[in-house]
Amino acid sequence: GAVVSQHPSWVICKSGTSVKIECRSLDFQATTMFWYRQFPKQSLMLMATSNEGSKATYEQGVEKDKFLINHASLTLSTLTVTSAHPEDSSFYICSAKKGLFHDTQYFGPGTRLTVL
Amino acid sequence: AQSVTQLGSHVSVSEGALVLLRCNYSSSVPPYLFWYVQYPNQGLQLLLKYTSAATLVKGINGFEAEFKKSETSFHLTKPSAHMSDAAEYFCAVSDTGNDMRFGAGTRLTVKP
Repeated sequence: GAVVSQHPSWVICKSGTSVKIECRSLDFQATTMFWYRQFPKQSLMLMATSNEGSKATYEQGVEKDKFLINHASLTLSTLTVTSAHPEDSSFYICSAKKGLFHDTQYFGPGTRLTVL
Repeated sequence: AQSVTQLGSHVSVSEGALVLLRCNYSSSVPPYLFWYVQYPNQGLQLLLKYTSAATLVKGINGFEAEFKKSETSFHLTKPSAHMSDAAEYFCAVSDTGNDMRFGAGTRLTVKP
């Protein structure tokens, strides 16, 4: 199997606060994890790629200081939305690859963030 | 850079009818191609993938897709639609497995 979990599944926070989202690979070691953002009725947009033990690589236009990514172990990556604002409200989805040269990404169930 | 175009943001079929979801890709190297399905408020589930082996790829839930290099297409088909197939379908392309780019998605509606 290749199961990826996310926690929490939904979160509501006040503007200006920070929110942490966890992404875990449950039955495999993930050398590479990815974070996507999806607006309602739109496609997924890659935010960043993270490799275990190294700094994340962010896509153009994604603020590194706002979206902090930590890939501390082979089974866990976290996304922290700092000083969240209503425009950060979105569906955040993570994915993971089994190996460096593996071709398939396995996706988590997503986290819906609402910033009031 | 690689990209995919999904023709038709919404496809509606009757239960039991053929499902055809279209995807055309652009890539400078032989690509990896994927179809994913997304149910409301859920993540993406892999239906099938093409990785330069057989051009006709069979996936889960009776879906299959054919890689046609001459047409740069990777259309998804299913002979007989079920109500449970109603969902959003995404085609994706990747050169390396890291740089996955998704199409805009096609919403499939199945009428009873």
